[in-house]
This record gives sequence, structure tokens and C-alpha cells, in this order.
Amino acid sequence: AQTVTQSQPEMSVQEAETVTLSCTYDTSENNYYLFWYKQPPSRQMILVIRQEAYKQQNATENRFSVNFQKAAKSFSLKISDSQLGDTAMYFCAFMKDDNYQLIWGAGTKLIIKP
Amino acid sequence: GAVVSQHPSWVICKSGTSVKIECRSLDFQATTMFWYRQFPKQSLMLMATSNEGSKATYEQGVEKDKFLINHASLTLSTLTVTSAHPEDSSFYICSASPGALGDQPQHFGDGTRLSIL
Repeated sequence: AQTVTQSQPEMSVQEAETVTLSCTYDTSENNYYLFWYKQPPSRQMILVIRQEAYKQQNATENRFSVNFQKAAKSFSLKISDSQLGDTAMYFCAFMKDDNYQLIWGAGTKLIIKP
Repeated sequence: GAVVSQHPSWVICKSGTSVKIECRSLDFQATTMFWYRQFPKQSLMLMATSNEGSKATYEQGVEKDKFLINHASLTLSTLTVTSAHPEDSSFYICSASPGALGDQPQHFGDGTRLSIL
């Protein structure tokens, strides 16, 4: 069975700083997808970024980028120039290639301080 | 983008009553819908997966007689919390999958905050 581990329950940084959230996973699959979701206080689930395992290039979306290390089964999220609106819970999630079910990490609470 | 409507967003009711939560995919057909429960400061816990026209598949430890799921059409799934008690108070989130990856595998509703007095 697949598992996703987020080892940082909470992090806080000053506005404009860069922060990295860690995520590791365990799977025997070769083809899969990884996602970072953001859940602000409004509790909406918002997709931040996704990575296909077969792609070697790390995904980027504006200020958000990932460091995907397939051999190490690591998928960290880097947020550059952090903004107050980035304050939220961040969840790492895994999906096998053949279904649409998500396996979730425990989440990291990120606080951006002014 | 794909939109999922979930309502009510917040419900308060007395212990012993049943509460129905609706989840609708507004602009796509959802072959699969997922129901999650989320406790404060915790991750999403999958309760059940439902496919249109068939019985829901419940995760271990989830009482199927307590949490009734109906997926009657490709755009609507309902979760009914029967004879609700204070311990059923929680945040419930639905999501829907169009059966193709697209930009993301599941599109989420905004959640329902359920409070049982």
C-alpha cells in the first residue's frame, strides 16, 4: 500500500522569504502522480502543483516549484517570495496511474508572518 | 474549469436527526465521487468511493448504515448522516472525478461543516 509522509506539522516564515515543505512517499509503482494541495482557512482544496513520475523535469507554477527525487521517493514544495495569502495547510498527495484515488499526507500548517 | 457544488455549507441540528449533504458536478459528468471527513488540523480521511449506479465502497471503519451514500446520476451524489450524534460533528468534503486526469484527478466541493447539538 502507498503511504505519504509529511514530517513538518507546522512551519512559519517571514513574508518574502523562501520556504520548503517536505514530502516523502512509499510505493512500488513505477507510474504515478504527485500533487500539492493548499487548504486556506476557508477550507477549499486548491491544487498548487502536480508532477508526473515519468517526467524528470521538476514542475513549476509561478512562485511554486517542486524538487522531485524519484529514487529517493521525495517530493518537496518550494515557495519563493512567500506572501501572506500563502498561509494555509499544505497537503502532499499520491495517485496511482490507474485510478483517481488520492493518498494524502498529514499536512503541514504554513504561516507567513508580516 | 470543473466546478463541484456542495451544500449545505453549514448545518446545525439536534442529536438524533438525519442530515443530507449534496454534491453536484456542475459542468462535467462524474464517473466517481469521493466523500471525505476532516477533523480539525488533520488530513482528509476517505470515507467512501461511489460510482454512478452502483453501491458505494466504504473504507474500513466507516459505518455504512450510519453514512448512507447515493450516487444516483453522473452529476449528483448524496451523503446522509443518519441519526446523527455529537461525535458525527465534523467537516465533510466531497470530490468528483470525470474519469480522466485533466488538470487534476478530483475536483472538490467547498465542504460542509456539520454540528450536532
